Amino acid sequence: GNSVTQMEGPVTLSEEAFLTINCTYTATGYPSLFWYVQYPGEGLQLLLKATKADDKGSNKGFEATYRKETTSFHLEKGSVQVSDSAVYFCALTAGGTSYGKLTFGQGTILTVHP
Amino acid sequence: DTGVSQDPRHKITKRGQNVTFRCDPISEHNRLYWYRQTLGQGPEFLTYFQNEAQLEKSRLLSDRFSAERPKGSFSTLEIQRTEQGDSAMYLCASSELNTGELFFGEGSRLTVL
Repeated sequence: GNSVTQMEGPVTLSEEAFLTINCTYTATGYPSLFWYVQYPGEGLQLLLKATKADDKGSNKGFEATYRKETTSFHLEKGSVQVSDSAVYFCALTAGGTSYGKLTFGQGTILTVHP
Repeated sequence: DTGVSQDPRHKITKRGQNVTFRCDPISEHNRLYWYRQTLGQGPEFLTYFQNEAQLEKSRLLSDRFSAERPKGSFSTLEIQRTEQGDSAMYLCASSELNTGELFFGEGSRLTVL
């Protein structure tokens, strides 16, 4: 079956530091890949997505590239802010008629200090 | 606010009692999903609807769980004879067709004593 593995957290950084959160996946076929973010006291929201190999998703300064050869979708940001403190979830869907049936990783807690 | 809303936000119950959660999706969204999230884990898919039809149920959804979306608008998730292992955050999400962009509510937290 499908699975997603994220780097273990939590991750603690100083403001303006570089961020990488690793994500690898196992899936049959050609999944679409997502990063969702959950800010304190809010629901999960989509951060970025990529639907095919070598696609780069980007949003709010975050980027992730769909690497089929390494089955990875690592999240990066060049300079984090305190407001980026949240829980980040990598996810995939096999697509087709079950497009919204997402398989999530366990989440990575990010804390950014001033 | 036109986001996904869930009610109640927190429910504390005794083992063996029945509980029901309600979800109101974004009005123009055809699809509605239920997920369950336990502490330190990512959400796990439970079931989803397209309009009023329940199209898929996870093996996680035991016979004690039932979900409905009677008019293709709001949905309810009922858990009968609750067990301590049912304690979790129950998340509802909605989306347009054929997209992985789900809009999540803030969740309903269930605590079974």
